[in-house]
Amino acid sequence: RKEVEQDPGPFNVPEGATVAFNCTYSNSASQSFFWYRQDCRKEPKLLMSVYSSGNEDGRFTAQLNRASQYISLLIRDSKLSDSATYLCVVNMRGSSASKIIFGSGTRLSIRP
Amino acid sequence: GAVVSQHPSRVICKSGTSVKIECRSLDFQATTMFWYRQFPKQSLMLMATSNEGSKATYEQGVEKDKFLINHASLTLSTLTVTSAHPEDSSFYICSAKRPNTEAFFGQGTRLTVV
Repeated sequence: RKEVEQDPGPFNVPEGATVAFNCTYSNSASQSFFWYRQDCRKEPKLLMSVYSSGNEDGRFTAQLNRASQYISLLIRDSKLSDSATYLCVVNMRGSSASKIIFGSGTRLSIRP
Repeated sequence: GAVVSQHPSRVICKSGTSVKIECRSLDFQATTMFWYRQFPKQSLMLMATSNEGSKATYEQGVEKDKFLINHASLTLSTLTVTSAHPEDSSFYICSAKRPNTEAFFGQGTRLTVV
């Protein structure tokens, strides 16, 4: 089982739609969680951190369920510029130190 | 936000030669740096984790003698791909972080071995 699993997509939705991505992680000792965005051939950029209480940043809402080891990202009123690959990222405790593991990414394509 | 500089951004080398990639945290001291590799249409795969002043911890399947990592200071880590072969052609990205913060990424290095 992969340490971090995501639905690879692609998701192809019209502009203005609401889209949700899910992610599960295997290590219950994981410490912190993030969503990153990666555009084609570019480095990943932090989109938002994910907290147990849930957090919102404009059109983006992230939630964490530690009991189910599950993370989600909701994008409302999607824009063309939201087209990208969204990466679920988990900072988990390794054998000797913490390490950051990426999910495989979910590709999102917004159509006019 | 914090800046991580990775150099070079693109390199082409002959098979059998070695290539060094540098990763610098420009405005913070990075206690931990990570090296990832991304093949086309695949996810970022963690290769190794390095903590300043100690040996890197390699992920399963990553040859430590082939991918030499040095983290001599809190602002610099290097990855040397030794005796590179065409199958090592990939996008290599470094990441740096302090405890309890998110990771910041370098711009990536596209390595092509011919």
